[in-house]
Amino acid sequence: EVQLVEAGGGLAQPGGSLRLSCAASGSTFSTSNMNWVRQAPGKGLEWISYISSSSYTRYYADSVKGRFTISRDNAKNSLYLQMNSLRADDTAVYFCARGLRAFDIWGQGTKVTVSS
Amino acid sequence: QSALTQPASVSGSPGQSITISCTGTSSDVGGFDYVSWYQQHPGKAPKLMIYDVTNRPSGVSNRFSGSKSGNTASLTISGLQAEDEADYYCSSYTSSSTWVFGGGTKLTVL
Repeated sequence: EVQLVEAGGGLAQPGGSLRLSCAASGSTFSTSNMNWVRQAPGKGLEWISYISSSSYTRYYADSVKGRFTISRDNAKNSLYLQMNSLRADDTAVYFCARGLRAFDIWGQGTKVTVSS
Repeated sequence: QSALTQPASVSGSPGQSITISCTGTSSDVGGFDYVSWYQQHPGKAPKLMIYDVTNRPSGVSNRFSGSKSGNTASLTISGLQAEDEADYYCSSYTSSSTWVFGGGTKLTVL
């Protein structure tokens, strides 16, 4: 079964940048649509970005549009999230999740803290 | 895009049935059959329980069922068990080509 493992979280300063990655095991990554979903401390889930299997289509939530960029490298079975102009309200656990109509496989999450 | 509306909490005794509602608009829940439900235990990743309104992934107990009427979707859990105690989230595709989650419902098994 496909497994997803996120990395790259940590402490960033307001206005700073971080790049998250999501490594996928298994041979189906290249045909999988992928997403990033985040969860602020004690809060609910928030979908933030989607990328199609070919990278042709990308969508973003208004809360991150213009600041975050989703990308993937199918040769490396990897998904990325470049986060720029970080704000305190970006503090959250970030999950990568597979799917289009629903999110059927999730990683364990990587924690991002934005603070000075 | 506003979050879908879920009750903050529901509770039930072992063996009972409970239903969690998820209310959106005609631009999300009411407009598409792409409603899904997730179970999340503390400190864990969410787990898909229902997709496309009514379908259960392989391995999910048939005690979990989903439905939709108009702009409101529902998750019903029958024969409540202690292990069902968790947070539950609904999600829907939207007319803006985005996805939106509900605020989450904490299920307590008494």
